Amino acid sequence: GQNIDQPTEMTATEGAIVQINCTYQTSGFNGLFWYQQHAGEAPTFLSYNVLDGLEEKGRFSSFLSRSKGYSYLLLKELQMKDSASYLCAVRDKSATNKLIFGTGTLLAVQP
Amino acid sequence: DAGVTQSPTHLIKTRGQHVTLRCSPISGHKSVSWYQQVLGQGPQFIFQYYEKEERGRGNFPDRFSARQFPNYSSELNVNALLLGDSALYLCASSLKVNYEQYFGPGTRLTVT
Repeated sequence: GQNIDQPTEMTATEGAIVQINCTYQTSGFNGLFWYQQHAGEAPTFLSYNVLDGLEEKGRFSSFLSRSKGYSYLLLKELQMKDSASYLCAVRDKSATNKLIFGTGTLLAVQP
Repeated sequence: DAGVTQSPTHLIKTRGQHVTLRCSPISGHKSVSWYQQVLGQGPQFIFQYYEKEERGRGNFPDRFSARQFPNYSSELNVNALLLGDSALYLCASSLKVNYEQYFGPGTRLTVT
């Protein structure tokens, strides 16, 4: 089966650091993506991991451990505009480019 | 450069009707995928097309169909609409099948 788990909601304070975890069990693995989605808008690409380790991109970093089926997204120096849903998605290892999404983590950044 | 465009933005239909949603990929992109996102959930894969051929299909009933045109734009058709079809329908384009996907703004479908 295919299963992607992430917390439903998180709350953090402006200026702080927050880590959003994602665990996955999929029949095939060809990379893990993190997307940000503001309410009523399309998902926008944040990061991509296919090998184990940390990928850093400005205030955002993403980590992957394939042996543990685990990833996290780290957001530093939180800003109010970071309040959004964060989607973890695994790319299926098949003939398609299919992305399998988790339900998303709704992050609320408070002053 | 224009991103992925979708039309219409919003749509209200009645149960039993059919609907056609349209998507234009980023210029040069030859692959289009469709996803359904129900409120509070992550997007679910419906179809993928590449070079006008269906490359993959998710776990959706036959009421859902799609096609890709020679200019790589795509249509998603849903027949015999049910209340449960109410969702945000997202189109994503990529250069080729196994490349990064870019999402359009989506079409918000409400079935009453």
